[in-house]
Amino acid sequence: GAVVSQHPSWVICKSGTSVKIECRSLDFQATTMFWYRQFPKQSLMLMATSNEGSKATYEQGVEKDKFLINHASLTLSTLTVTSAHPEDSSFYICSAQDRDQPQHFGDGTRLSIL
Amino acid sequence: GQQLNQSPQSMFIQEGEDVSMNCTSSSIFNTWLWYKQDPGEGPVLLIALYKAGELTSNGRLTAQFGITRKDSFLNISASIPSDVGIYFCAGQPPDKYIFGTGTRLKVLA
Repeated sequence: GAVVSQHPSWVICKSGTSVKIECRSLDFQATTMFWYRQFPKQSLMLMATSNEGSKATYEQGVEKDKFLINHASLTLSTLTVTSAHPEDSSFYICSAQDRDQPQHFGDGTRLSIL
Repeated sequence: GQQLNQSPQSMFIQEGEDVSMNCTSSSIFNTWLWYKQDPGEGPVLLIALYKAGELTSNGRLTAQFGITRKDSFLNISASIPSDVGIYFCAGQPPDKYIFGTGTRLKVLA
């Protein structure tokens, strides 16, 4: 149980392109979903927290207009990196949480901007 | 953002050896969790701890919620090659998680 699916797992695109990443909880309802960013050999850094049907809460220093988050249902959240540039290249990981249960993570999306 | 101090940063061990790692914080946490991350994948939950002093096992893994609520420990007994990876602690203060800096484990067969 507690499976989180993240898609795509890997994307390469040109600078200026917008990229959408999906995060789905497959066998549970996620009251809250989280988006993290991870640089090589570093820990996970929280970007934003989203609750179904409401606006995401962004961490300090994260541009909400650059990283658009939509949490349309209890099983789906999306992160759109708008007008991506090489400095946005990173490993993006989502997690989903059912109320006060532990967070369960997707397998991540490796984003490379050329 | 805030991170938890996790030690050791990395370790090489022989197959069959026991492993210990810990995580400390200057703040009190309500929940401690331990995750393992393999290269190119997301973290996988190993153990969740909810009460100070709690000791919980998951197979060869045992974790403890420190009595001060400011630390946690993870032990792996009789390590095997597939234990290789990065182990992260996470504390919940009580809302969002704060992650440790990670312990990179390499097991020599």
